[in-house]
Amino acid sequence: GENVEQHPSTLSVQEGDSAVIKCTYSDSASNYFPWYKQELGKRPQLIIDIRSNVGEKKDQRIAVTLNKTAKHFSLHITETQPEDSAVYFCAETGTASKLTFGTGTRLQVTL
Amino acid sequence: NAGVTQTPKFRILKIGQSMTLQCTQDMNHNYMYWYRQDPGMGLKLIYYSVGAGITDKGEVPNGYNVSRSTTEDFPLRLELAAPSQTSVYFCASSYSPGGVDGEQYFGPGTRLTVT
Repeated sequence: GENVEQHPSTLSVQEGDSAVIKCTYSDSASNYFPWYKQELGKRPQLIIDIRSNVGEKKDQRIAVTLNKTAKHFSLHITETQPEDSAVYFCAETGTASKLTFGTGTRLQVTL
Repeated sequence: NAGVTQTPKFRILKIGQSMTLQCTQDMNHNYMYWYRQDPGMGLKLIYYSVGAGITDKGEVPNGYNVSRSTTEDFPLRLELAAPSQTSVYFCASSYSPGGVDGEQYFGPGTRLTVT
């Protein structure tokens, strides 16, 4: 992958609401799309990923959707909780031996 | 398993000094990566390795060097430190670059300040 755009850069939601973060990519060979969560002062950790042969994947309150035609994928968090507050990074890779990361979204869940 | 370990946790360098950031993983991963993360910013790839004896440049390699003599270790060398190298440095490893077993495991980071 060469370029990944991530929006929005900051997102504030009330506890219990849903949050959606979107990424677009340019490389049609991209086939793996992970999402990482980084809490303040901590290391990034994988929370969910999706491969190009799947359109949607869910894990409890988080889900990822992929639209290969439009070259975009999104992270959905439902019933947000204060502990969801963090920076979220999307990433992608295809034929390269490395991930290309998005610029990050700072999610703030307010009470 | 300890996962990915990095030393030191913190370091202050004077301009022009050199140092080596250590990274070790015990998961027998072939793929290893060095990133830097400036305050409030994203992850920028410095160098990566697909196996012992093989390294390649990432997005921001200038001012850094790496070596990969063993599967476990991937040290990052800073020569002639500059204030622009003030950052948090993360090492990561994975079994494969993507797909199944593509998860990158990150170390705890090294916070470097150059003054």
